Amino acid sequence: EAGVVQSPRYKIIEKKQPVAFWCNPISGHNTLYWYLQNLGQGPELLIRYENEEAVDDSQLPKDRFSAERLKGVDSTLKIQPAELGDSAVYLCASSLGDRRYTGELFFGEGSRLTVL
Amino acid sequence: TQLLEQSPQFLSIQEGENLTVYCNSSSVFSSLQWYRQEPGEGPVLLVTVVTGGEVKKLKRLTFQFGDARKDSSLHITAAQTGDTGLYLCAGANDYKLSFGAGTTVTVRA
Repeated sequence: EAGVVQSPRYKIIEKKQPVAFWCNPISGHNTLYWYLQNLGQGPELLIRYENEEAVDDSQLPKDRFSAERLKGVDSTLKIQPAELGDSAVYLCASSLGDRRYTGELFFGEGSRLTVL
Repeated sequence: TQLLEQSPQFLSIQEGENLTVYCNSSSVFSSLQWYRQEPGEGPVLLVTVVTGGEVKKLKRLTFQFGDARKDSSLHITAAQTGDTGLYLCAGANDYKLSFGAGTTVTVRA
């Protein structure tokens, strides 16, 4: 069975440019997460979806970040415009968890963003 | 600021030695998970502990959840080079999973 698929693996852009990351979760997983991970740090939640509903986006910087999961399957995370401080790894994860219980998260390999 | 504090931040040991990684918080969690992350990869779940005082053993790895469900430890016996990686603890409350900053473990041959 395929795991969580993310693309691109690497992206280098200049500041003020837009960038988008794509994630396809494990089939049947209703919950999808986007995390940001800085070097030497643990993942920090940006947004959590249950099916197509964003149930926790409190940590998403909404002035420049947006996300969507239109059909409750794959998801896109966008940054516009990118800033130098956005350089990080963007991890997507999926799970069978629901609002009451957090089960095992399955992570993709991540998308490493470098903003010059 | 991380909700969970992990210590030490870095750990370098010789193959065959034992090591312990700690995860502490002032918050109570309904469950706690441990993940291992290798360079260029996403974290992979090692174990979930749900009961205060619970001890789980997976081969050479022993996980303990504190009685008050605020802290946890991971002990590795006779470490191998394949144990090298970033060890992350993550505490769950309702639907929120909060990660610690991680402990980078290097096992030297």
